[in-house]
Parts: sequence; C-alpha cells; structure tokens
Amino acid sequence: EPEVTQTPSHQVTQMGQEVILRCVPISNHLYFYWYRQILGQKVEFLVSFYNNEISEKSEIFDDQFSVERPDGSNFTLKIRSTKLEDSAMYFCASRPGLGGWEQYFGPGTRLTVT
Amino acid sequence: AQSVTQPDIHITVSEGASLELRCNYSYGATPYLFWYVQSPGQGLQLLLKYFSGDTLVQGIKGFEAEFKRSQSSFNLRKPSVHWSDAAEYFCAVGAQAAGNKLTFGGGTRVLVKP
Repeated sequence: EPEVTQTPSHQVTQMGQEVILRCVPISNHLYFYWYRQILGQKVEFLVSFYNNEISEKSEIFDDQFSVERPDGSNFTLKIRSTKLEDSAMYFCASRPGLGGWEQYFGPGTRLTVT
Repeated sequence: AQSVTQPDIHITVSEGASLELRCNYSYGATPYLFWYVQSPGQGLQLLLKYFSGDTLVQGIKGFEAEFKRSQSSFNLRKPSVHWSDAAEYFCAVGAQAAGNKLTFGGGTRVLVKP
C-alpha cells in the first residue's frame, strides 16, 4: 500500500542552524501539507501546498519557514534559523484531491534544537 | 474558525470491554470529520472519515463513529477493545476550502488493562 515517507526520523541541530525536512508524498496525490506537534500539545497545521504554490499557511509559518517541491516526488520544509521552540515532531501529509479529502500522514521527523 | 474538543485526556479500559471516545467540533458548515490513531513512535493513521451521507461510518480495526449534527459530535466507538488498541486517538475537522487544512483535538490516550 502506498505511504508517505519522511527523512530523517530524528534530527538534532543547534539553534540558528538551517534544517531541511524531507517528505515523499504518495505518488498520485496533488495536495501536500506540513503539520507539527510540540511535545504534549496538539497537532498544528503549518502549510498546505498545491500546484507548486502555497495555498494556505498558519501564523506559525513565518518567514523562517519555506516549502518546496524540487522535483516530482519530494516535498521539503526548510527552517532557515532554528529556535529552541521549533523543537517538535513534524508530520508531512498528502491527499489525492479531486474529491479525495482524507489526508495520509508520514511517520514524522522529530526535530530537536539545542 | 474551526475547533475540536476531546474532553477526555486519558481513558483506561479493560481488554474486551467497549470503548467510546468523545469529540465535539465547531465549524460553520457541514464538516469533514476524521479520526486518527497514533501508536507510540508512529505517525498518524487514518481510522475513519465522514464527508456526507450515512451518519454512522465504519473504519479500520473494528472502529465506528457516529456524526450527530445536533450535538456537533463525532464520537468514536469500538465494541470490544484489544490490547493493541492502546494508543492516542485524535479527532480532526477538515475545512472545505481548497486547502482543506485539518484542525485537531488534543487527543485521548487509551490505556488497555489486561
């Protein structure tokens, strides 16, 4: 069964460093998402992406964040200058589009900023 | 703005007993509703979804949920719990806008006693 994959599973970085989190959505899906879950808190929406552009972003998704679909398979989240409060589990999700409303999630990348 | 409340943070249930997890949502139109399960160290797995039609929906692993518009609820049920059902369960509401971001509840952690 097709699934969303994410790499790495765990990333440790120092404050101020740039990180790129990678995702491979399900191959025929059209919509892509990033969510995050700070330990002990709710899963929060960050950004949605369709047709090579951002369709919606949350207040969390400020200028430090960017997303890209560099080729036909990968979907990346970049944090330019990490802060301690960026430590969280980051989930990528995708959905089919064209009436397929359910989102399928990857296993997540745990980002630890020290 | 859409929101989801899961009133129970923890529920402990004996193996073989029935389980009901509560979910209340707030959304201005007919919602798209979802239940996800997260086992320790795993991503979010879709259990079931409601878009329209029959208000009782069946999902994977023997779970079902009932949409009650009058109560703004979408409670999850399972008649007989197995030890492997120990996990955290998240209710989510999806916006009908093109981006279809999901808004999650805080989750309910289910512990299963032998």
